[in-house]
Amino acid sequence: ETGVTQTPRHLVMGMTNKKSLKCEQHLGHNAMYWYKQSAKKPLELMFVYSLEERVENNSVPSRFSPECPNSSHLFLHLHTLQPEDSALYLCASSWSSSGANVLTFGAGSRLTVL
Amino acid sequence: DAKTTQPNSMESNEEEPVHLPCNHSTISGTDYIHWYRQLPSQGPEYVIHGLTSNVNNRMASLAIAEDRKSSTLILHRATLRDAAVYYCILRQPSGAGSYQLTFGKGTKLSVIP
Repeated sequence: ETGVTQTPRHLVMGMTNKKSLKCEQHLGHNAMYWYKQSAKKPLELMFVYSLEERVENNSVPSRFSPECPNSSHLFLHLHTLQPEDSALYLCASSWSSSGANVLTFGAGSRLTVL
Repeated sequence: DAKTTQPNSMESNEEEPVHLPCNHSTISGTDYIHWYRQLPSQGPEYVIHGLTSNVNNRMASLAIAEDRKSSTLILHRATLRDAAVYYCILRQPSGAGSYQLTFGKGTKLSVIP
């Protein structure tokens, strides 16, 4: 088991539902990330939080809303999603000030939008 | 943006060494070279990283060309558990003190028993 825990591991939701993905890291890192991995596509960086402030937002639709209440927790709030949003959502953490900036990933949350 | 180029797939026999190549001809002087791998149904896992010198750790070795335009990840004895997609990535500064790791398609390594 890694030091980054994601819940739920699997989620099925309708297009009108509101749900949230949760990520928790136990590594003492101060940066957290959301990545999206669609079938047969590379991982796409969605959001970056450093010291609990959002520092990257890579043109992600507003139906995805991140929240970082403290350096150990990261949420991705989901509302009115589309079927094409079905994907594996990966959370990661790192030392943002580290020269090497090695990321530790969670196992991911598999989202299916009906 | 600096990018990396990797073969789509490679095969190796079990217990033989594997050399996974990566080209990054537009690398900048301060870009670190990172390697991650992703096993089926799991998140990516850090393997190794380096800047200029060759690096060794318990998982693998990283050989970096003198001009830094290419690198090679070396698995000394491939096992069935090493079957995964291997990503070669450049860590680049993206402002506000953060550093992006932009993933490509990677190399899918198959290990033959």
